[in-house]
Amino acid sequence: DTGVSQDPRHKITKRGQNVTFRCDPISEHNRLYWYRQTLGQGPEFLTYFQNEAQLEKSRLLSDRFSAERPKGSFSTLEIQRTEQGDSAMYLCASSFTAYEQYFGPGTRLTVT
Amino acid sequence: DQQVKQNSPSLSVQEGRISILNCDYTNSMFDYFLWYKKYPAEGPTFLISISSIKDKNEDGRFTVFLNKSAKHLSLHIVPSQPGDSAVYFCAASDTYNTNAGKSTFGDGTTLTVKP
Repeated sequence: DTGVSQDPRHKITKRGQNVTFRCDPISEHNRLYWYRQTLGQGPEFLTYFQNEAQLEKSRLLSDRFSAERPKGSFSTLEIQRTEQGDSAMYLCASSFTAYEQYFGPGTRLTVT
Repeated sequence: DQQVKQNSPSLSVQEGRISILNCDYTNSMFDYFLWYKKYPAEGPTFLISISSIKDKNEDGRFTVFLNKSAKHLSLHIVPSQPGDSAVYFCAASDTYNTNAGKSTFGDGTTLTVKP
């Protein structure tokens, strides 16, 4: 399977803990995106990388959130001091052009 | 302010009939529009797209129509099949800004195709 993979698929954490998610994009894709999706809503853009450069960040991405893409390959999204409002599905997508994106299965975060 | 709106949360159609899913947008900078399909426990899957220089794009049973003056697009599925039952997301991108590869999504329409 050469699609986008995300790890873990599910994460349950207590409020105040830090969590880190990983995304492995399709290997030839230089663009990588993180989105957040809550129940009944569409994916909301969080941040975008072109190769290793983080080119855009949403205002949704508070200073508790940080994303990296070392060497332009996999990416990590870290949430520090988690809050209950962070509970959501975190989706990663990759693409070769600024057009259709290929999504991973997502990481479902539950903050208790 | 939601820039991409799908006003129908759900749609139910009979197998073999046409499904029409609608989407409205407000941002005039959007120049590329996409439809994604999402099954439970999976990420969205790209279905079909259309550039703002066109008013129609067809791919098999799926056709997307774009009305730029009305800032409206629609997805037609003919004939509808039970396997088409999923959540459909409309998305829009501003590709002129080469650094902004993001898509803005609507909240989705749940399509149910009854056998």
